[in-house]
Amino acid sequence: GAVVSQHPSWVICKSGTSVKIECRSLDFQATTMFWYRQFPKQSLMLMATSNEGSKATYEQGVEKDKFLINHASLTLSTLTVTSAHPEDSSFYICSAKAPLGRDSNQPQHFGDGTRLSIL
Amino acid sequence: AQSVTQLGSHVSVSEGALVLLRCNYSSSVPPYLFWYVQYPNQGLQLLLKYTTGATLVKGINGFEAEFKKSETSFHLTKPSAHMSDAAEYFCAVIYQAGTALIFGKGTTLSVSS
Repeated sequence: GAVVSQHPSWVICKSGTSVKIECRSLDFQATTMFWYRQFPKQSLMLMATSNEGSKATYEQGVEKDKFLINHASLTLSTLTVTSAHPEDSSFYICSAKAPLGRDSNQPQHFGDGTRLSIL
Repeated sequence: AQSVTQLGSHVSVSEGALVLLRCNYSSSVPPYLFWYVQYPNQGLQLLLKYTTGATLVKGINGFEAEFKKSETSFHLTKPSAHMSDAAEYFCAVIYQAGTALIFGKGTTLSVSS
């Protein structure tokens, strides 16, 4: 089946550092990818929709200058948490919209998530 | 705003007992409906989905769910719980094809021996 790879799976860094998370579709072209954030014991909250070759669409309340999203190719979207602070610590999950006719059982293919801890 | 509600943030059952996790959506037009499972520090795994057709859908690991339009519900059930079923379960919807999944707050399922 379709696979989405997310890297890194775990990152710990100092406050003020910028952190980049990569989301790759390994065996299909993903024109649309989604970024979610999940706090401990809570649900996944959609942060933004990333479309290849255009600016991401952010959900209300998500700071676009804080969470930079780049979708420069059909297989890669990146989320950069700029000048990260402890309150940005969370579990970030990306997903890629399933291509038409491929794995029609699932609307989106999820990465395994990135645990971000800011000290 | 359109949303999905999961009643009960935590459900505890004994091994072998019936599992019932509740999910209701808020829309006059039925959305596409999904149940996902998440194990600690892992991504999401699709259990089952409803788009059209038969309202009782069967998924993996013995789970099933029934779409009831009159009740705007899509509850997840399993006749006999297993210890390995302990996890976080999310109901999710898509209200418009091609848009992102919207998740409920999740229900933690605990299974005791």
